[in-house]
Amino acid sequence: QSVLTQPPSASGTPGQRVTISCSGSSSNIGSNTVNWYQQLPGTAPKLLIYSNNQRPSGVPDRFSGSKSGTSASLAISGLQSEDEADYYCAAWDDSLNGQWVFGGGTKLTVL
Amino acid sequence: QVQLQESGPGLVKPSQTLSLTCTVSGGSISSGGYYWSWIRQHPGKGLEWIGYIYYSGSTYYNPSLKSRVTISVDTSKNQFSLKLSSVTAADTAVYYCAREQDTDGSGSYFGYWGQGTLVTVSS
Repeated sequence: QSVLTQPPSASGTPGQRVTISCSGSSSNIGSNTVNWYQQLPGTAPKLLIYSNNQRPSGVPDRFSGSKSGTSASLAISGLQSEDEADYYCAAWDDSLNGQWVFGGGTKLTVL
Repeated sequence: QVQLQESGPGLVKPSQTLSLTCTVSGGSISSGGYYWSWIRQHPGKGLEWIGYIYYSGSTYYNPSLKSRVTISVDTSKNQFSLKLSSVTAADTAVYYCAREQDTDGSGSYFGYWGQGTLVTVSS
């Protein structure tokens, strides 16, 4: 059972816009920034969004992040087949003296 | 370009100690400014943070694993290591090493990851 809650799956057709939610609590998302990671099949996770809404260099501006209260969202516009992957949200949790916590992951399928 | 590479046995017997090493290239652990983490992913599951070490040797562990985890650093070899004791089948996972960096007041993130190594606990 993951501390951060994500829907297990999401889907869309090429060109569509999809959003993936991440729900937490006051001790994690509510008081710290959220990062998003993309994991393509058989590879290591890759940083996609940091500090709620910042994109590392090289990440297309089709990807965007937002945060409100104890929830965060990842939006992907202009969906492409290469976006098919697992997406994870993460935040530092201040409870139990602190630790990184992750969402259970959302598998995005491009139909 | 920073690169991280995990190495170690792919098979560990129950009750024994899992030992992995992460070799860092393209940057020096001893230059400071970063935390060096271990993260694992159970087969078909999500990610679990195990703990981190700073170049000075200070460590911080996931409370749920703290009693079994030791992370150490060898700056002369530009490596850091993970030891997980008393393993069971529940410790079977892909283990990743990663570099955590701060954003100067707006949180931190794992910017670089190793490719991961599968460790199976089985007799």
